[in-house]
Amino acid sequence: NAGVTQTPKFQVLKTGQSMTLQCAQDMNHEYMSWYRQDPGMGLRLIHYSVGAGITDQGEVPNGYNVSRSTTEDFPLRLLSAAPSQTSVYFCASSGLTRNYGYTFGSGTRLTVV
Amino acid sequence: AQSVTQLGSHVSVSEGALVLLRCNYSSSVPPYLFWYVQYPNQGLQLLLKYTTGATLVKGINGFEAEFKKSETSFHLTKPSAHMSDAAEYFCAVSEDDYKLSFGAGTTVTVRA
Repeated sequence: NAGVTQTPKFQVLKTGQSMTLQCAQDMNHEYMSWYRQDPGMGLRLIHYSVGAGITDQGEVPNGYNVSRSTTEDFPLRLLSAAPSQTSVYFCASSGLTRNYGYTFGSGTRLTVV
Repeated sequence: AQSVTQLGSHVSVSEGALVLLRCNYSSSVPPYLFWYVQYPNQGLQLLLKYTTGATLVKGINGFEAEFKKSETSFHLTKPSAHMSDAAEYFCAVSEDDYKLSFGAGTTVTVRA
């Protein structure tokens, strides 16, 4: 099925651990982004990419790294997990946003203890 | 810079009643506007969007929204609520072809 695939769906980390959240899309979309969702705050943009080899910071980038080596993949790395990074993370992709909006993955629920 | 304000974090309606979710935005250029719905433990799904042209846009599941430039608003409505409409709804704005800024969301509860 075409779409955005995120793995894992659930993860528990200890403070200080690192991990990578995976995101892959098979729609040949140029634009990919990572958001975090916290209660009462909507979705906040972490990092985004407008194409392979091009990434930029969003609203809340601290503590996260990204890379875009291929059109399909856009992994999000947590360098040293902190309890403040407990959240639900969504990956999204888009062709031209005005035409199609975003396609979202199903999310990764991360708990940092 | 763009921003979105959703008035009311929770809305409770009776089944069959009007659903009205309010969204106001700020944007330095003519914006693209979106409404998304999120069902429990799922990702976001596009309900409808406004880019150019007709200011009243229709979406899936009987929802519609009207773009009012003078009021910088993009309110979402549905004439008759169903139990299946219980979800969280997000308004979003884009000033370019890529980045979306989201409101804080409105949770809709439908009473039988």
